[in-house]
Amino acid sequence: QKEVEQDPGPLSVPEGAIVSLNCTYSNSAFQYFMWYRQYSRKGPELLMYTYSSGNKEDGRFTAQVDKSSKYISLFIRDSQPSDSATYLCAIEGRGSGNTGKLIFGQGTTLQVKP
Amino acid sequence: KAGVTQTPRYLIKTRGQQVTLSCSPISGHRSVSWYQQTPGQGLQFLFEYFSETQRNKGNFPGRFSGRQFSNSRSEMNVSTLELGDSALYLCASSLGDRTIGGYTFGSGTRLTVV
Repeated sequence: QKEVEQDPGPLSVPEGAIVSLNCTYSNSAFQYFMWYRQYSRKGPELLMYTYSSGNKEDGRFTAQVDKSSKYISLFIRDSQPSDSATYLCAIEGRGSGNTGKLIFGQGTTLQVKP
Repeated sequence: KAGVTQTPRYLIKTRGQQVTLSCSPISGHRSVSWYQQTPGQGLQFLFEYFSETQRNKGNFPGRFSGRQFSNSRSEMNVSTLELGDSALYLCASSLGDRTIGGYTFGSGTRLTVV
């Protein structure tokens, strides 16, 4: 079993739809949670960072963490064609032994159709 | 504010050769991590440096090594290249303060081994 599981998709939605992206993880010691967006031939771009359970909102993006279920989500409201990309969840464990050591999901490919 | 800069962007090397990749972090960032990204394995952690010291290392063979300089710039070296080393190599920098958090990635170096 992988430490972080993410449905690779692809996911195709019409413009303006609400998109829900999800990851599950296996280790309760994981402490820090991130969502990245990666366009083709580019590096990942940090969208959201959180370390507590609950919701965090930034513009059209909402990150949700449920530590009891080991489940994290990213919601995109009013999706735009420019949101078409691969979305990666990334998780980091606590302690200095895990610093900088992000464990990534496989990434979900999203296409937003005009 | 300049982002994370990786050079070169593209490299073609022959099997058995060695290669050195460079990463300049965001000004003020003291932590630099390196990742390998392939279609089959996704993003995998190589190592992390902070203040010129390697703090964490992933599960890669000893042919993969790195270092960090006093100005926080980092280099990664791969010796005795194999065909399977063909990948996008990404570096990420951070302040090293998890209360602020998040890692900023560069655009990567695409290495092709022939």
